[in-house]
Parts: sequence; structure tokens; C-alpha cells
Amino acid sequence: DGGITQSPKYLFRKEGQNVTLSCEQNLNHDAMYWYRQDPGQGLRLIYYSQIVNDFQKGDIAEGYSVSREKKESFPLTVTSAQKNPTAFYLCASSSPDTYTDTQYFGPGTRLTVL
Amino acid sequence: DQQVKQNSPSLSVQEGRISILNCDYTNSMFDYFLWYKKYPAEGPTFLISISSIKDKNEDGRFTVFLNKSAKHLSLHIVPSQPGDSAVYFCAARLGNAGNMLTFGGGTRLMVKP
Repeated sequence: DGGITQSPKYLFRKEGQNVTLSCEQNLNHDAMYWYRQDPGQGLRLIYYSQIVNDFQKGDIAEGYSVSREKKESFPLTVTSAQKNPTAFYLCASSSPDTYTDTQYFGPGTRLTVL
Repeated sequence: DQQVKQNSPSLSVQEGRISILNCDYTNSMFDYFLWYKKYPAEGPTFLISISSIKDKNEDGRFTVFLNKSAKHLSLHIVPSQPGDSAVYFCAARLGNAGNMLTFGGGTRLMVKP
């Protein structure tokens, strides 16, 4: 059945290490997004991609990088340059073919820096 | 500068009563608004939406009202059920910015049995 998968669900990283979070969708959506949620706060946009091989910075892109080599996949790398990486990371996708443009979310990855 | 605000971080309601969650926005160019529901450690799930050309949209127990002149929208849940306990986010879309959504900070709803 169709949906968005994120792996792993929990991830621990030592300071100074890069780590890559996976996001895969089989909804045939063109657009994909990465958000970050901190305790008691809303979702903040990190990066988004409207089409394969193209992506744009969101509001808080510093210390993160992405790639979009396939329509189904939009991995996010949290680099050692990200000063406060501990957070809950959410991936979403949407199809621009529909007026509603509803974004559908994956289950999230909780990243903890030790 | 927050363009979408949910000023109540939490709300407690008795089961069977009405829950009203509020959201204010500042950008008059937003043309579409959505409400998402989120349980802890899970991704948000889409609940209901409304276009800026409407003032009301209803889906079962959920109704969203939009007051464009006041730049205010609200989500009504009637009757509230304990399973509705979650964090609710409102989001707004800029018509000329593709699918970009701006989210509010969320309101935690607690429905007491």
C-alpha cells in the first residue's frame, strides 16, 4: 500500500559525525519536503524539492544537505555543522497535480546527538 | 516573524463537548489552509482543509471556519472524544509559492473522559 517511509525511527549520533536520514515514498508525488520539529514548537522547513534533481533551501537549511536523484527518494544529511541537531525530523510529499496540494507525512525520525 | 500563530499552546475539554482550536495569520496572500493532527512520535496526519474562497468546510465531527477579514481560522470538533487528544497544527499555503506550507506552533488538545 502507498505511503511515506522514514528510517530509522530513532537515531543516535556522536558530536562531529554526519548522519543521513532516509525518506522514501511510493505515492508518485513530485514534491518532497523535510521539516524539523522541536519540543513545543511547530514544523520548520529545512529543504524541499519540487522535481527530481532540483531542490531548494527552506527556512533553516544551514547544517543540512539533501539530494533528489530519484522521484521516490529524498535523503537528508545532518552535518557536523548543524549546531543543534537533536530534534524530530519529518519528511513529507505532495502532488502538485491536485488543487488541494495536501502534504502527506512520514512517521518521523528522532535524532539524538550524544 | 511568525506568519501563522496558534496562541493557545494547550486546551482541555470534557468528552462530548465542543473543542475550538484557533489560528491567526498575517499574510493575506495565503489561499489555502489545512489542519493536521499529530500524536507523539508520529508524523502529522491531514485532517481538513479550506480554500480562501470559502468560509466553512465540514467533514463529520470536524468543521473549519475561515474569517478572511480577521485573518482567523478555527477548527471545531463536536462532539469531542478522548481519541481526539493530540497536537493540532494549522498550516497555510501561499498561492504563488508552489506547495509551500507555513505551520503554526500547534495546540495540544486534551479530551477528558
